[in-house]
Amino acid sequence: AQSVTQLDSHVSVSEGTPVLLRCNYSSSYSPSLFWYVQHPNKGLQLLLKYTSAATLVKGINGFEAEFKKSETSFHLTKPSAHMSDAAEYFCVVSPLIQGAQKLVFGQGTRLTINP
Amino acid sequence: GAGVSQSPSNKVTEKGKDVELRCDPISGHTALYWYRQSLGQGLEFLIYFQGNSAPDKSGLPSDRFSAERTGGSVSTLTIQRTQQEDSAVYLCASSLWAGDIQYFGAGTRLSVL
Repeated sequence: AQSVTQLDSHVSVSEGTPVLLRCNYSSSYSPSLFWYVQHPNKGLQLLLKYTSAATLVKGINGFEAEFKKSETSFHLTKPSAHMSDAAEYFCVVSPLIQGAQKLVFGQGTRLTINP
Repeated sequence: GAGVSQSPSNKVTEKGKDVELRCDPISGHTALYWYRQSLGQGLEFLIYFQGNSAPDKSGLPSDRFSAERTGGSVSTLTIQRTQQEDSAVYLCASSLWAGDIQYFGAGTRLSVL
């Protein structure tokens, strides 16, 4: 079975400082891993996707994530936070063996940006 | 182009009533998914369609929940005899093919009084 654990339910950073949102996964197979972002009253938007092509994945809005198999981690980072980054972030796993029919979501991390 | 559209955006109903939630996927997308987002359970998979058939409906929480898809396009999620624990945001997503990136709608917020 596949699962993800987001290690922080809430992260607060100052504008212009780095962002780190932590995610650990569990998967019996080589998984696809995603980060999605959800702004208030908006749908989920894909930030980035890992599918084994490269361990460092670059996404939209300056975000990137590094796949570390030895640590079963897929942490999301951004060098400099912007006020518009305030949102809920979800780490997601999906088994490659069946395709992405069923996304398994982490519990989410709420990111707050302080001016 | 148009994204995934869900209607209504908000629905308030009385316990015991039936409700229908609608999803219009992105044109040409063959796969369609329903998820539920609630405070207690987070985001959960409900059902997946490939074309008009549902190969995976393992996430439907009870037999009060059903879904159909017609013409390989619009899908309707029906909840019969609603209960207060059904209150949640119901999200729909579509993808060009099963295994491709899923694009989400803004959701329907269901409140059961």
